[in-house]
Amino acid sequence: DTAVSQTPKYLVTQMGNDKSIKCEQNLGHDTMYWYKQDSKKFLKIMFSYNNKELIINETVPNRFSPKSPDKAHLNLHINSLELGDSAVYFCASSGNTQYFGPGTRLTVL
Amino acid sequence: AQKITQTQPGMFVQEKEAVTLDCTYDTSDQSYGLFWYKQPSSGEMIFLIYQGSYDEQNATEGRYSLNFQKARKSANLVISASQLGDSAMYFCAMRGTLAAGNKLTFGGGTRVLVKP
Repeated sequence: DTAVSQTPKYLVTQMGNDKSIKCEQNLGHDTMYWYKQDSKKFLKIMFSYNNKELIINETVPNRFSPKSPDKAHLNLHINSLELGDSAVYFCASSGNTQYFGPGTRLTVL
Repeated sequence: AQKITQTQPGMFVQEKEAVTLDCTYDTSDQSYGLFWYKQPSSGEMIFLIYQGSYDEQNATEGRYSLNFQKARKSANLVISASQLGDSAMYFCAMRGTLAAGNKLTFGGGTRVLVKP
């Protein structure tokens, strides 16, 4: 059973487009996250949600909008994609331990 | 603010030998958690081991052990009997407070290459 799943795994798109990444966890955790891993492998928190409420927004451009329809899902919508948005995006959920999804590699051309 | 430092960008280790990956941290919190994750070339983030700041014993999970030295603010990962499949990036991370959403702050990572 997959604990944290993300779709799609790969996303290639043109500048200016809007795209979404979906995330689901079946661990029963209350808290979910989005992290961004840049080309130098550095990982940084973007958002944290607890029981569908936004807890952390780490100075992410407002082109990025997370949405949590229920506590098992946290989706990420990105408007007007830019070249600098190219990265790997990880969803995660936590109880005592934080578990990560497989990542979505976003390439903006 | 929390900070994690991994000073070894990359290292080689001979198969079957032990390797220590360094991690130092900085925080003003009294309660915190320290994690190690493995990221193989396939890209997923695999949880390896966790140490709580109040845990008196060093954490161990199979071939992984965490050498926790609170006074020195270090949380080094020791991998015993290295295997070829241990070749990967390894990240040290610190969990912040509940008020800060329990977010993880990551170090820059150490790339390990196991030689046969």
